[in-house]
Amino acid sequence: DAKTTQPNSMESNEEEPVHLPCNHSTISGTDYIHWYRQLPSQGPEYVIHGLTSNVNNRMASLAIAEDRKSSTLILHRATLRDAAVYYCILRDGRSGGGADGLTFGKGTHLIIQP
Amino acid sequence: ETGVTQTPRHLVMGMTNKKSLKCEQHLGHNAMYWYKQSAKKPLELMFVYNFKEQTENNSVPSRFSPECPNSSHLFLHLHTLQPEDSALYLCASSQEWRGAYTEAFFGQGTRLTVV
Repeated sequence: DAKTTQPNSMESNEEEPVHLPCNHSTISGTDYIHWYRQLPSQGPEYVIHGLTSNVNNRMASLAIAEDRKSSTLILHRATLRDAAVYYCILRDGRSGGGADGLTFGKGTHLIIQP
Repeated sequence: ETGVTQTPRHLVMGMTNKKSLKCEQHLGHNAMYWYKQSAKKPLELMFVYNFKEQTENNSVPSRFSPECPNSSHLFLHLHTLQPEDSALYLCASSQEWRGAYTEAFFGQGTRLTVV
């Protein structure tokens, strides 16, 4: 699976929007963009994924650049419970393609200030 | 509650002990995974099972021995571990083996300490 680059850490204030960037300049046309997050002392949890179009769900929004070389996870109104490590991961969408399992990088450590 | 249950949550074992970690999912998923998360390192994929068959072994030492008796249960048998094997061991499951558009569900992990 192609590589992603994320900032090591970001800080935001409670009840404000948070934009978490991810660069994936070597993304292929069949790669899906996935986001997971890991709260302290817990396993990772799925947040959202997309291919080309922007996506919304109850947890967050995913904005994908037109050239797909970058994407942004948007938390519309951060709470203290959103403090976690956020991982941006690419998954090959070809039938039978891609690596088994998820390849995690270091992610972005999001700190929320009250 | 993710639907993936791991036991025990914490385990302390000596280097000569034999122990097993258990993972259970009743989500109807066909793929199950073991990951290792050491302090200050990214999660590392250890083993992948698809329909009970092992499809991936990421150069894991033989002192870690996985077992998948059915699609709902996954074990990690441990023997003669080293202190550097102390880590959080996470189990996950997903509907499809290489599904790029399906999500993985993780358990809360077993915190293992080898003394």
